[in-house]
Formats: sequence, structure tokens, C-alpha cells
Amino acid sequence: NAGVTQTPKFQVLKTGQSMTLQCAQDMNHNSMYWYRQDPGMGLRLIYYSASEGTTDKGEVPNGYNVSRLNKREFSLRLESAAPSQTSVYFCASSEARLAGAQETQYFGPGTRLLVL
Amino acid sequence: QKEVEQNSGPLSVPEGAIASLNCTYSDRGSQSFFWYRQYSGKSPELIMFIYSNGDKEDGRFTAQLNKASQYVSLLIRDSQPSDSATYLCAAEGSQGNLIFGKGTKLSVKP
Repeated sequence: NAGVTQTPKFQVLKTGQSMTLQCAQDMNHNSMYWYRQDPGMGLRLIYYSASEGTTDKGEVPNGYNVSRLNKREFSLRLESAAPSQTSVYFCASSEARLAGAQETQYFGPGTRLLVL
Repeated sequence: QKEVEQNSGPLSVPEGAIASLNCTYSDRGSQSFFWYRQYSGKSPELIMFIYSNGDKEDGRFTAQLNKASQYVSLLIRDSQPSDSATYLCAAEGSQGNLIFGKGTKLSVKP
């Protein structure tokens, strides 16, 4: 049981290049999330997917797109990378919200992205 | 805009002391609150969650919630150098997502 996995671990891009960050979970969770973490800014939600087939914007969606490929996988795409997108990206997953249940999120190991 | 506020620290305590971490939130509709620990260069890991007013204890950790004051705290008893990390407070958002504070850096000195 690997939990939440992310690839790649590190990536260096040039401005204008595109890339896709991959995330997969094996906990049969319905909800998945993409965050970015910058020094002094905390974790900020980029996009989330409450269930397979749905995606919604979070706090900082500009410059990103997402795909919920199936229940296990949720990818984040940078179409034209900018230096402002240099950050650490975390994927997380949680069970669907049930009455009285807490929305505990489990995080992947992160992807460190540098855009030059 | 819904916010979660934390003192960024660093909070420095001697080994064996009680570390007290605090958090306030703006959305009165939030029902669940979470404390995550994040070591440098690592991903956040859940310590505790709390959704009822009062205290919740788990080993050396106690979470406290006061919904009237919109205040959440985490107490770490018998602090150890291995507790040195950044502690993130999070509140449940209206759509099931989490709203995170910026974190408090804790340093436990031997």
C-alpha cells in the first residue's frame, strides 16, 4: 500500500515549456487535490476533484490545468511554465465527505519544480 | 476570504517542556480542524483532527478547540528534539477542501 505517489520528484523547466505532474493513490479515495507550497505562503489549493469525473478550481488555478483520469489518478499540467510557478507541488487525497466524517487528507511526497 | 492564521514563529522550547501552538480561523461554518506536522523537505503528515469543542488527547499531543472564539491549539507535552518541525493548522472549507495556515516553526532545544 503505497498511499499517494507523485512523479517526478524533481524537475527543471525553461520558461514556456510544458509538463505534466502525475499523482496516483491506492486508498480508493474519491477526492484528490493539488497544492503548491511556497516559502512564507503555506499550502495553497490549485485544483481539486471531489469525485471521478469532476474538477474544480481552488485558490490559485491560473496557469494550470488538471485531469482526473480515473479514480486513482489526478494529473496537473503546466501548459507554458513561468518562473512564478517555481514551487513544491503536493498531491493529496481523501475519502468522500460523509455525514460526521472528517475530511482527512493524505499527502504525496511532493514534486520540486524549478522554472528558469 | 476564509483564512487560517498562525504565528510563523520560530517557537523555541527546551527539551521536556510543553510546546503550545495556536491557530485562529475566520469561517464560523468550519466544523473540522486538523494539525499536520511537516519536516523540512518532506510532505505534511497528519497528527490529529478535532471537531468538538474541548480537548482531544493522543499520546503527548492534545488538540483544543473553542468554536465560540474560533481558536484551535495544539499542545505537545514532554517535547523532544524530534518534534522540531513546522506545524500546519487547517480548517475544513465549505467544499470539503482544507484551508491551511502558513505554519508555525517549532524548535526543541536539547
